[in-house]
Amino acid sequence: EAQVTQNPRYLITVTGKKLTVTCSQNMNHEYMSWYRQDPGLGLRQIYYSMNVEVTDKGDVPEGYKVSRKEKRNFPLILESPSPNQTSLYFCATSGAANEKLFFGSGTQLSVL
Amino acid sequence: GESVGLHLPTLSVQEGDNSIINCAYSNSASDYFIWYKQESGKGPQFIIDIRSNMDKRQGQRVTVLLNKTVKHLSLQIAATQPGDSAVYFCAVNAGNNRKLIWGLGTSLAVNP
Repeated sequence: EAQVTQNPRYLITVTGKKLTVTCSQNMNHEYMSWYRQDPGLGLRQIYYSMNVEVTDKGDVPEGYKVSRKEKRNFPLILESPSPNQTSLYFCATSGAANEKLFFGSGTQLSVL
Repeated sequence: GESVGLHLPTLSVQEGDNSIINCAYSNSASDYFIWYKQESGKGPQFIIDIRSNMDKRQGQRVTVLLNKTVKHLSLQIAATQPGDSAVYFCAVNAGNNRKLIWGLGTSLAVNP
């Protein structure tokens, strides 16, 4: 079954404590992306990756890092989380950039 | 800048009625349009897409209509059911890098 798996589903942390949200896809897709979803602001792209070792900034990259060492994995790293990064995060993947995206189930992050 | 907007943030319909959700976009060069459904606590799920060489596309109980003249996109859901209650997003590719621009979503409530 085609899947995009994010972990964890829920995370509560404190300001400044580094964290990683993992994302894995089993569809052999080249394109992967991270979004955050906030009330009234919709889905905003954080980073995306066109292929292994290729990553680019989206609309709201500040405070985030990503890596793409393997095709299937695209972790999102918050080196020093702040309360304004409290949000619902989604990983997504597609066979080609900016076409039909498959989303993970989301990670609800709270930074205290 | 480029934008994707919806005419109504919320829509309430009676079970069994048809629902119409609208979306407007600003870039006449956009050539790919997608509708997603997001249920509470889940990631966005692909419903249907359409390319600019078509005016209409039908799926199971859903139809997408594209009017390129007025840059308008609509999603029609036939015989709306309680399971259709969700937030519906349109996304449109735009710009030189063809990235997806997302609307803010319409929340559909189905009354029994």
